[in-house]
Amino acid sequence: DVKVTQSSRYLVKRTGEKVFLECVQDMDHENMFWYRQDPGLGLRLIYFSYDVKMKEKGDIPEGYSVSREKKERFSLILESASTNQTSMYLCASRGDRRKPLYGYTFGSGTRLTVV
Amino acid sequence: AQSVAQPEDQVNVAEGNPLTVKCTYSVSGNPYLFWYVQYPNRGLQFLLKYITGDNLVKGSYGFEAEFNKSQTSFHLKKPSALVSDSALYFCAVRDRSGNTPLVFGKGTRLSVIA
Repeated sequence: DVKVTQSSRYLVKRTGEKVFLECVQDMDHENMFWYRQDPGLGLRLIYFSYDVKMKEKGDIPEGYSVSREKKERFSLILESASTNQTSMYLCASRGDRRKPLYGYTFGSGTRLTVV
Repeated sequence: AQSVAQPEDQVNVAEGNPLTVKCTYSVSGNPYLFWYVQYPNRGLQFLLKYITGDNLVKGSYGFEAEFNKSQTSFHLKKPSALVSDSALYFCAVRDRSGNTPLVFGKGTRLSVIA
């Protein structure tokens, strides 16, 4: 089975800090995604990447950036954390772009609290 | 633009009764449709998907979903609910062009009461 690993389950950071959320997948997937999950708002797409060094903005990219230097790793960066970025962050990957019918595999999520 | 509506924030059902979690969608052309489930403090797990063919799709844990093109709906169903089915359920859609990301609904919390 594909495994998507998010490095931290819980994270507490201070306002203004630079925060890195790491996601690693072990099945050579090309597509990777970052969503945030908030009660009543569901999952909202922040950024996604179709391949190494490629990135696309999702629906709510403001305040975030991403890095994909290696195929297996997709990092989400909060340049200057703010309290409104307190949320659950979910990483997902999907297989070969030539097989877009595959569903996503999700990591367990990182619950970030910004104080 | 693609969108998904899950009109119920919460669904309560007695154990052993049938359950339905509703989903309607909007997409250009024909859709790919998915259901995911999330248990507390976990990521989302894939339940089932509709790609083409039979409108009734069977998935994991005894769940099924019916694709209705005229009503643009993809409701999740199970004939007999279990307490262990209590979780948060998400419907998702994408169009058939290219390799676009999934768009998710806001989620429906299912509570199955013993």
